[in-house]
Amino acid sequence: DQQVKQNSPSLSVQEGRISILNCDYTNSMFDYFLWYKKYPAEGPTFLISISSIKDKNEDGRFTVFLNKSAKHLSLHIVPSQPGDSAVYFCAATFNFGNEKLTFGTGTRLTIIP
Amino acid sequence: NAGVTQTPKFQVLKTGQSMTLQCAQDMNHNSMYWYRQDPGMGLRLIYYSASEGTTDKGEVPNGYNVSRLNKREFSLRLESAAPSQTSVYFCASRAYTGTGLGYTFGSGTRLTVV
Repeated sequence: DQQVKQNSPSLSVQEGRISILNCDYTNSMFDYFLWYKKYPAEGPTFLISISSIKDKNEDGRFTVFLNKSAKHLSLHIVPSQPGDSAVYFCAATFNFGNEKLTFGTGTRLTIIP
Repeated sequence: NAGVTQTPKFQVLKTGQSMTLQCAQDMNHNSMYWYRQDPGMGLRLIYYSASEGTTDKGEVPNGYNVSRLNKREFSLRLESAAPSQTSVYFCASRAYTGTGLGYTFGSGTRLTVV
């Protein structure tokens, strides 16, 4: 049972345009969400997070939106750069401090120069 | 460089062989984790250790054992490898900080069981 889903395995975006990566979850207990970025042959690195008490969090070019009623979150990257080409994982947990992080299946983002 | 170090980076095993994946962190983190990444499955938690001397099962613990040797080291052992254990294994550690829950991942071990 996949509790965190990323339905788009891949996405291609022109350099300079907006990249939008989507994530859906089914467990209503999740109250903290994260995005990780992964390059080949490297481990995932933390990108941005959001608590369920917020509906938006920004960090530079990266913005995460949370729609709790739809159990949906999205990551916006503006403007997209070639270095953004990577696999992006959505992750979720509950009771901040809980040891268990549930990951989505990942979306491979390719930025076209 | 500070971080999480995994060894080996690559390994090929025959079915039934055993091996231990090593993980060490130098950030004085209390919690450590082992995940596996498979195509179309994301990262799944195998075992974790919330503190030195404790270990707990994650989502997919069958076929694995772990040892939290000390605060720095957390090893993952496959006693009798099976082809279903072909995967990329990631070790992670965590500090209890606000940003991003403080997870730091190693660069992974790619294991093939033939």
